Amino acid sequence: GAGVSQSPSNKVTEKGKDVELRCDPISGHTALYWYRQSLGQGLEFLIYFQGNSAPDKSGLPSDRFSAERTGGSVSTLTIQRTQQEDSAVYLCAIANGNYYGYTFGSGTRLTVV
Amino acid sequence: RKEVEQDPGPFNVPEGATVAFNCTYSNSASQSFFWYRQDCRKEPKLLMSVYSSGNEDGRFTAQLNRASQYISLLIRDSKLSDSATYLCVVDGDGGSQGNLIFGKGTKLSVKP
Repeated sequence: GAGVSQSPSNKVTEKGKDVELRCDPISGHTALYWYRQSLGQGLEFLIYFQGNSAPDKSGLPSDRFSAERTGGSVSTLTIQRTQQEDSAVYLCAIANGNYYGYTFGSGTRLTVV
Repeated sequence: RKEVEQDPGPFNVPEGATVAFNCTYSNSASQSFFWYRQDCRKEPKLLMSVYSSGNEDGRFTAQLNRASQYISLLIRDSKLSDSATYLCVVDGDGGSQGNLIFGKGTKLSVKP
């Protein structure tokens, strides 16, 4: 959606490889979230960045997943040693302001073969 | 465990019909409530926030019952373009920008 750019839009990778997904929000948004959506499933929270605070990593499914946000803007989600169950759409979102929900990027569709 | 439950549907309705979706949430501390719409192979998009007094936006009416921890969405005069999956969304910790918890969605199909 407008305000959040994600790349790549599609990624096919071989099992065991590492992948890096990028989220580039428009400036001024301090809160940034990563979710993933597996086929036919709901959105699963992964990680949340808020300003300079330590990120909330409580949703990361394993230690193969990590994320960082540099300079309070661009964020990258890294998945190491990808597995087939990592195949999903990875969505980045920014908060619209207090109590106003999120705006999502168009996502990265990851396929692990 | 903090959860949001929805009837998965699908709801198959003719054009012009009125359709209602329901949702329950488990965290009584939640303060923010939303309905999102998700088209096939697209990202979710905010449809409307849900306020305590209930609110309306054109053909769409949202209601919140805090005592029962229940949220509803009513769509009047359904259009073909309303066909989508509707996601009930609740904040997870009562904070203003904490993470949101998404229901799995209710699929609506409006037929001519």
